[in-house]
Amino acid sequence: GAVVSQHPSRVICKSGTSVKIECRSLDFQATTMFWYRQFPKQSLMLMATSNEGSKATYEQGVEKDKFLINHASLTLSTLTVTSAHPEDSSFYICSAPTPGGTGELFFGEGSRLTVL
Amino acid sequence: GQSLEQPSEVTAVEGAIVQINCTYQTSGFYGLSWYQQHDGGAPTFLSYNGLDGLEETGRFSSFLSRSDSYGYLLLQELQMKDSASYFCAVGGENRDDKIIFGKGTRLHILP
Repeated sequence: GAVVSQHPSRVICKSGTSVKIECRSLDFQATTMFWYRQFPKQSLMLMATSNEGSKATYEQGVEKDKFLINHASLTLSTLTVTSAHPEDSSFYICSAPTPGGTGELFFGEGSRLTVL
Repeated sequence: GQSLEQPSEVTAVEGAIVQINCTYQTSGFYGLSWYQQHDGGAPTFLSYNGLDGLEETGRFSSFLSRSDSYGYLLLQELQMKDSASYFCAVGGENRDDKIIFGKGTRLHILP
C-alpha cells in the first residue's frame, strides 16, 4: 500500500537553530499533506495543510513565519521549525490522504524534536 | 468549527468487547475515521465510515449515524496488544479537506 516516509525520526538541536523535517509520499502523488503536532499523551493538533505548488494553509494560532512549510513537488513536503525554542519540543507528524479517497490518512513515522 | 468528544480512558479485560464512542460537531462532513496509536509511534488507520451503518474489519468494527453526529469503534476479542490510544477523526466535505482528531481514548486492557 501507499507509504509516507518522514525524516529525521529524532532530532536534538540547540535553542535558536532551525530544523527541517521532510515528508515524502513513496509510491503515490500527494497534492495535499497535513502536518500535525502532538505533545505527550495529547491529541494530534493540525498545524497546517500543505498544498503542492501553492502556499500552505495554517491553522489559527500557528505562526507561519516560525513553521515554514514548502510543498515543492507532488511527493515532498517539508516543515522547517525556525529559531527553535524548548517549547517547540514535540512530536511532529505528517500525513497524506489516500489516493482512492477512502477517508484514510497515511502517516509518516513522526519526528521527535527536542530543543535544548 | 469542528469538535469531537470521546472518553479519555476505557478499561476492559482481555478477551472482552469494548466500545469507544465519539460525537462530533462539524461545519462540513466527509466521513468519520478511527486511528490507533501506540506509545511513541505514529497513528495507524483502523476504519472509515462515509455512510451510516456498520463497517467491519476483522476484530474491529465502526459505526456511524450522521443524523446523530455519532459513531463508535467496537473492538472484539481484546488482546493485550490492543492497549493503545484510539482517536476518532472527521474530515470536511471534500477528500482533501483537513482532518481533525478527537482527544483520544486510552484503552487499558487487564489480563
